Amino acid sequence: DVKVTQSSRYLVKRTGEKVFLECVQDMDHENMFWYRQDPGLGLRLIYFSYDVKMKEKGDIPEGYSVSREKKERFSLILESASTNQTSMYLCASRSNRNTGELFFGEGSRLTVL
Amino acid sequence: GENVGLHLPTLSVQEGDNSIINCAYSNSASDYFIWYKQESGKGPQFIIDIRSNMDKRQGQRVTVLLNKTVKHLSLQIAATQPGDSAVYFCAENKNSGYALNFGKGTSLLVTP
Repeated sequence: DVKVTQSSRYLVKRTGEKVFLECVQDMDHENMFWYRQDPGLGLRLIYFSYDVKMKEKGDIPEGYSVSREKKERFSLILESASTNQTSMYLCASRSNRNTGELFFGEGSRLTVL
Repeated sequence: GENVGLHLPTLSVQEGDNSIINCAYSNSASDYFIWYKQESGKGPQFIIDIRSNMDKRQGQRVTVLLNKTVKHLSLQIAATQPGDSAVYFCAENKNSGYALNFGKGTSLLVTP
């Protein structure tokens, strides 16, 4: 069974802290994505990676960075967390760009105080 | 990103009835469209997709219709069940892009 695992379901951090959200997929997928989900705004793309060490900005990259050193792992980094980054973060992977089927993790709910 | 929007934020249907969830898109260059279902506390899950060269595609109890003339996409669920209660998102995969652009979602509530 395919699996995308996000390291933390719930996190509480303080303003200014550095935050790492980890995501691992076991399907040898090329593409990986980070979305944030907020009520009334749906899913918004932060960053994506189409291959190892490759990354592209999505619609809302400000305040975030990413790392993909290995194919199975895609990390989202908040260099200095702010309260407006309180949100649900969803990681997803896809085998390649020719399919619309993304496999999502269960999400990481981050609260920044 | 491109506008992928939904007509109704919430939809309530009785168990056993058919459900129709609508979605409008604005990017004519999109080459396929996808529907996702998100249950409470879980990540979105793929339901069905349709290529831009098709008008209709059927799955198990679901049908997706694409009307390119009016840039409209719909998801029909036959004989709606309580387990269908969830938020449904439409998404588009632009021809030149890697990423999917999601709509804001419609909440479907199935009542007994």
